Amino acid sequence: DTEVTQTPKHLVMGMTNKKSLKCEQHMGHRAMYWYKQKAKKPPELMFVYSYEKLSINESVPSRFSPECPNSSLLNLHLHALQPEDSALYLCASSPRTSGFNNEQFFGPGTRLTVL
Amino acid sequence: AQRVTQPEKLLSVFKGAPVELKCNYSYSGSPELFWYVQYSRQRLQLLLRHISRESIKGFTADLNKGETSFHLKKPFAQEEDSAMYYCALRPGGSQGNLIFGKGTKLSVKP
Repeated sequence: DTEVTQTPKHLVMGMTNKKSLKCEQHMGHRAMYWYKQKAKKPPELMFVYSYEKLSINESVPSRFSPECPNSSLLNLHLHALQPEDSALYLCASSPRTSGFNNEQFFGPGTRLTVL
Repeated sequence: AQRVTQPEKLLSVFKGAPVELKCNYSYSGSPELFWYVQYSRQRLQLLLRHISRESIKGFTADLNKGETSFHLKKPFAQEEDSAMYYCALRPGGSQGNLIFGKGTKLSVKP
């Protein structure tokens, strides 16, 4: 299995809802990432996990809460989001976080709409 | 500051014409440079990395440290090359994070 999968594909939620995005990979990668991509903009890094530990948090608001329960799974818990949080949320993985030939493989994304 | 600049939002060429998508970067150390491509309704995928010095789908990119550039080139564009292209930088020794340029949408007309 050489793909990163993300569920759900689409998510619509209200500002008071609690929801979670899920990302999975079975390539044995030990680094996983969450990116946010607004329409017609490049992906922006949110979080990096290295060996299941959070190594980078790019000053993301606490209404986004990442979780890495094991080396194959990455979750993003959402609570009390704002309409401006509507975006495509991309998950990526790579063999490790540093070193060469360390390609990041991206999932298809979850398109989130906050009403 | 670490930054990637892609000056063209949109590049439109005819099939068979040469293509050059520009990318300039700002970084004082030794960066890794990448080109990612996003075809319509498909996921973001790696096209090229500077370290490999390879040609993928006819595209090449050379890192020019003097000009801090990593332009993507193809001698003869095909309609299937139409996509969004992102240049990305990974600072040396970083925790893996990629810094993306704003992207260039390439449109190849028949």
